[in-house]
Amino acid sequence: GQNIDQPTEMTATEGAIVQINCTYQTSGFNGLFWYQQHAGEAPTFLSYNVLDGLEEKGRFSSFLSRSKGYSYLLLKELQMKDSASYLCAFKDSNYQLIWGAGTKLIIKP
Amino acid sequence: DAMVIQNPRYQVTQFGKPVTLSCSQTLNHNVMYWYQQKSSQAPKLLFHYYDKDFNNEADTPDNFQSRRPNTSFCFLDIRSPGLGDAAMYLCATSRDPGTGNNEQFFGPGTRLTVL
Repeated sequence: GQNIDQPTEMTATEGAIVQINCTYQTSGFNGLFWYQQHAGEAPTFLSYNVLDGLEEKGRFSSFLSRSKGYSYLLLKELQMKDSASYLCAFKDSNYQLIWGAGTKLIIKP
Repeated sequence: DAMVIQNPRYQVTQFGKPVTLSCSQTLNHNVMYWYQQKSSQAPKLLFHYYDKDFNNEADTPDNFQSRRPNTSFCFLDIRSPGLGDAAMYLCATSRDPGTGNNEQFFGPGTRLTVL
């Protein structure tokens, strides 16, 4: 079967660093996405990993380990506007996205 | 700017009264998706079009139908909305899913309320 799991909620302090983990199980894997979703809005693309390793894009970085079925999103220098839900999703053998329920990130001053 | 547009942004309907949600795109993507998302849940794929080929998810209720008259437009018809259909409906587009980073581009969503 397929499943994907991420923490429901996390809290962090403005200016700090936070790591949001995502674990998945699937027989077919064609890459993993991270999306940001502010309350009441549509998801917006953050990153895509298909090979193992770290992809850095400004304050955001995403890591993938295919052998462990594990990814994380690293957010540095947190700003209040980073308060949002962060959804991971992997692309399965049929090239469909299997979505996690999202991690709600709360930033405190 | 190329984008995905959804209308209306907010839709209120009565129990059992048909409703149509629309989506248009200027990205010229060949794949269009409809998702249902309820609060604090993952987006749930209802169906998608690969060009004109319609692909229905196995657990999508018959109450939900879709039309794609051309590349740019796609419609979601809910024939007899129930209280459980109240949700955010998201339209998304992408290039061929089999080619690398085919990120999905989302519209702003339509929030459906059923009274």
